[in-house]
Amino acid sequence: GIQVEQSPPDLILQEGANSTLRCNFSDSVNNLQWFHQNPWGQLINLFYIPSGTKQNGRLSATTVATERYSLLYISSSQTTDSGVYFCAASPIQGAQKLVFGQGTRLTINP
Amino acid sequence: EAQVTQNPRYLITVTGKKLTVTCSQNMNHEYMSWYRQDPGLGLRQIYYSMNVEVTDKGDVPEGYKVSRKEKRNFPLILESPSPNQTSLYFCASADRANQPQHFGDGTRLSIL
Repeated sequence: GIQVEQSPPDLILQEGANSTLRCNFSDSVNNLQWFHQNPWGQLINLFYIPSGTKQNGRLSATTVATERYSLLYISSSQTTDSGVYFCAASPIQGAQKLVFGQGTRLTINP
Repeated sequence: EAQVTQNPRYLITVTGKKLTVTCSQNMNHEYMSWYRQDPGLGLRQIYYSMNVEVTDKGDVPEGYKVSRKEKRNFPLILESPSPNQTSLYFCASADRANQPQHFGDGTRLSIL
């Protein structure tokens, strides 16, 4: 089945810094999503981005489907950005199954 | 307000005592799914449902059952819970299978 790998596993930054999180996937996908798990454990859908670029405030994401990777950019980090960021993907053959990466734990210090 | 509601949020129980975790969505979504989250293993899919009366196994279905009799509800059933099913469980729904998924707040199960 499809493999989803995220890097880095951990990232510690000061408030105001920018960050880039990477997600590599092993197969062609028609479904790529980014989630934020906040310190209370809630999973929030950030982006649905099987290809192209999207922006939402200080967050943006780019998926290059032909090269099998996606990037999540966080600009001007705030302490509320702390948590774990997951990407998840479904292969074209098997869109009903969503496979998650191991996550990137982001800590933003004041 | 569009939401996915799971109950209970927390449960401590004993081995072998049947339990059901309910999941309900109010968005008229066709697709629903259950995941478990374990330290070091991330989120793994247990079961999913493409629509009413259509369910299938995910990657870790052993020890679980599901049903989808109504579009809005997708309960997860542990017929004979064991300690290795201690985990954080999430229910999710989406308009269709490859569309953005919306997650419930999670259910933390402890099986003693």
